[in-house]
Amino acid sequence: KQEVTQIPAALSVPEGENLVLNCSFTDSAIYNLQWFRQDPGKGLTSLLLIQSSQREQTSGRLNASLDKSSGRSTLYIAASQPGDSATYLCAVRINNNDMRFGAGTRLTVKP
Amino acid sequence: NAGVTQTPKFQVLKTGQSMTLQCAQDMNHEYMSWYRQDPGMGLRLIHYSVGAGITDQGEVPNGYNVSRSTTEDFPLRLLSAAPSQTSVYFCASSYSGSADTQYFGPGTRLTVL
Repeated sequence: KQEVTQIPAALSVPEGENLVLNCSFTDSAIYNLQWFRQDPGKGLTSLLLIQSSQREQTSGRLNASLDKSSGRSTLYIAASQPGDSATYLCAVRINNNDMRFGAGTRLTVKP
Repeated sequence: NAGVTQTPKFQVLKTGQSMTLQCAQDMNHEYMSWYRQDPGMGLRLIHYSVGAGITDQGEVPNGYNVSRSTTEDFPLRLLSAAPSQTSVYFCASSYSGSADTQYFGPGTRLTVL
């Protein structure tokens, strides 16, 4: 059974710092991996989608990497800002119809 | 485009009551899904649909029914609410299945007393 783990559960950093969020999964047979942002009381917003054949994706200050063989993905946030404060979720697609989510990392960026 | 919309935003039920959570999307997406999110846990798939008239069970389907009569709408029915169904429910859609980004609605926070 696919299990997705995100460490740490919570992270607090000062503004301007570069940071890395980690996601690990137990079964390397995935279709893709997606990183989401969730603000309190809101839905999920897709940040980056990495197909199983890809190694990384970039969008602005965000860079996500995927190492399928080791079951790991990282989300790198450069020059963090208070507006980046949110919960970040990773999810792996295990078949055409289902995704498995991690419990998320709650990020706080202090001014 | 409004994207994925859900109603209501909040709902309180008594044990045994039934209700329907509404979900609609205006992006002409074939795939639609329902997830629940519980504290300290990832989202879990309840039911999904790959097109009008086609639905199937996900990881945690017990106590829920779905139907898909149109491409746009995918309602989730709670047959007889139980306290264990207290959760935040999210509807999601994507153009196709595996390769596409999923778009999520804002969620419905349900409390069952």
